[in-house]
Amino acid sequence: AQKITQTQPGMFVQEKEAVTLDCTYDTSDQSYGLFWYKQPSSGEMIFLIYQGSYDEQNATEGRYSLNFQKARKSANLVISASQLGDSAMYFCAMRESMNTGFQKLVFGTGTRLLVSP
Amino acid sequence: GAVVSQHPSRVICKSGTSVKIECRSLDFQATTMFWYRQFPKKSLMLMATSNEGSKATYEQGVEKDKFLINHASLTLSTLTVTSAHPEDSSFYICSAREARGTGELFFGEGSRLTVL
Repeated sequence: AQKITQTQPGMFVQEKEAVTLDCTYDTSDQSYGLFWYKQPSSGEMIFLIYQGSYDEQNATEGRYSLNFQKARKSANLVISASQLGDSAMYFCAMRESMNTGFQKLVFGTGTRLLVSP
Repeated sequence: GAVVSQHPSRVICKSGTSVKIECRSLDFQATTMFWYRQFPKKSLMLMATSNEGSKATYEQGVEKDKFLINHASLTLSTLTVTSAHPEDSSFYICSAREARGTGELFFGEGSRLTVL
């Protein structure tokens, strides 16, 4: 079964508008972490935001915020005031078994975001 | 922030040759490094986890003899694609986890391998 599901292969948004990128996850662990990464055309992976499973408040980092709904197992990324430079692939990821010595990061299939002028 | 460097960023080789990709943590010590492979327009696939001073742990379906991983020091892990074939052409990314601190992962810039 897929651990991380990103149902939107592509999204369009107009500059200065907000956009939500969906991510749902599946885990039986009580302690886990959720990440969003941005991958521009250059290929590097850029860390955007992190949400711990025990964090009561939604994570925010500048224009990025994570809409964490634990009961629904969703961790959607919200980008406010989109910029042309936001056009990229966005990956949702989950780190499981945080309290053990071994941690593994599992990625979703990604969402390609295109920001138009 | 922490920096992870991969080299080379692009490599083209002939079928049958071996290619080595280096992953270095530049300003921190990484006890664990991960190697991913990305297929075009698809997600990253974890290939293996390498721990400094021990054998790498490979994911199911990844050929150990094909993709040799060495983690000789706390700042360097290498991935060697042996006897490369065109189907090995891909984008390979490494990530490293700090020995101390929050355990955040830092990613390299990736290496694009093209096998002719």
